[in-house]
Amino acid sequence: DTVLTQSPALAVSPGERVTISCRASESVSTLMHWYQQKPGQQPKLLIYLASNLESGVPARFSGSGSGTDFTLTIDPVEADDTATYYCQQSWNDPLTFGSGTKLEIK
Amino acid sequence: EVKLVESGGGLVQPGRSLKLSCAASGFSFNDYWMGWVRQAPGKGLEWIGEINQDSSTINYTPSLKDKFTISRDNAQNTLYLQMSKLGSEDTAIYYCARSMGITFDFWGPGTMVTVSS
Repeated sequence: DTVLTQSPALAVSPGERVTISCRASESVSTLMHWYQQKPGQQPKLLIYLASNLESGVPARFSGSGSGTDFTLTIDPVEADDTATYYCQQSWNDPLTFGSGTKLEIK
Repeated sequence: EVKLVESGGGLVQPGRSLKLSCAASGFSFNDYWMGWVRQAPGKGLEWIGEINQDSSTINYTPSLKDKFTISRDNAQNTLYLQMSKLGSEDTAIYYCARSMGITFDFWGPGTMVTVSS
């Protein structure tokens, strides 16, 4: 299975720029996607195909990368962005998710 | 408005079976792949599998293929997950989600399954 590695947690202040990384154990081309999960809620799709913003998602969110290294950027961060962020690949079977990065807003 | 609502969760004894349902509304259900994802308490997301529009193709994560069965009823706009031989490791929130083939663009709020004696 393709393992997706994310850093466990980050803490930033409102207004700052934050980058959340996801590294794949093998190439996933650009079939990498990002979700936001707020406490007690279901995941929400933010970015698909590495860099495409899902409809209705603020332009503060952006994604980049290809192959094995991917980044989700939030600029500027707002208090409401407190959540866990998951990457997910769909290039290799089975589909897999990263372990999540918990973002704390100071 | 797209809406997905899971039901059927609860407390179940080890070794028993349970069937979850997901009622869909607000979109043309029979035009989409649908999938199931679970999340153990305090843990990350695990893809269970997904089913195509006419149930002719069903994909599972290998570790769950012999325990779980995904099905759908397009006339009832409902997705199902039949789970058998449940163990404590299956305790989780179970989400149904609309699949775009590569991503899940809408998720239900989930239903909790607790496996315990």
